[in-house]
Amino acid sequence: EDQVTQSPEALRLQEGESSSLNCSYTVSGLRGLFWYRQDPGKGPEFLFTLYSAGEEKEKERLKATLTKKESFLHITAPKPEDSATYLCAVQATNYGGSQGNLIFGKGTKLSVKP
Amino acid sequence: DGGITQSPKYLFRKEGQNVTLSCEQNLNHDAMYWYRQDPGQGLRLIYYSQIVNDFQKGDIAEGYSVSREKKESFPLTVTSAQKNPTAFYLCASSTSPFGWTYNEQFFGPGTRLTVL
Repeated sequence: EDQVTQSPEALRLQEGESSSLNCSYTVSGLRGLFWYRQDPGKGPEFLFTLYSAGEEKEKERLKATLTKKESFLHITAPKPEDSATYLCAVQATNYGGSQGNLIFGKGTKLSVKP
Repeated sequence: DGGITQSPKYLFRKEGQNVTLSCEQNLNHDAMYWYRQDPGQGLRLIYYSQIVNDFQKGDIAEGYSVSREKKESFPLTVTSAQKNPTAFYLCASSTSPFGWTYNEQFFGPGTRLTVL
């Protein structure tokens, strides 16, 4: 069964304290892996798409990387405004009835204290 | 500005009532989706539509219904058959999930439904 697991569930950092969020996945074949940011009471905001192992994408203090079994979202010198829940989703290359649909993890809630 | 709008932002339902959540997009996307989000759980797919006048059940379609009469609109009705409808509902769209395309989905702001 296709599955996405994010860890940790919650992460508290001091401003400037770099860290990483993990997204591990088990799918028959990976078409794409997606990272989203979600603020409380709002819809997820698209951040990155990663297509193949070894790929990296960067945006401001965020850098996403991908291996064959997991993805990391690295946060460098975070600021309080980076506080949010970060969601990971995968698109599998299965050819069943739900072809192309995303499988979401439960998210990591990040809190950055000044 | 292109984007996805959902209305209302907050919705209250009495027991036994049907309610309809609106979702409109002006991104010219073919595919649209409805998700439900509960605390501590990942997003769960309710229904999706890959093209006008066609839609498929997702993982938790029981107690919900949809229509797709226009490319821009994908309303969700929460029926009285849905036993636990209190949740945050999210609408999303993407260019197309068919074939080898990548399914980057873009989300609306959400509707919070509460059953009284």
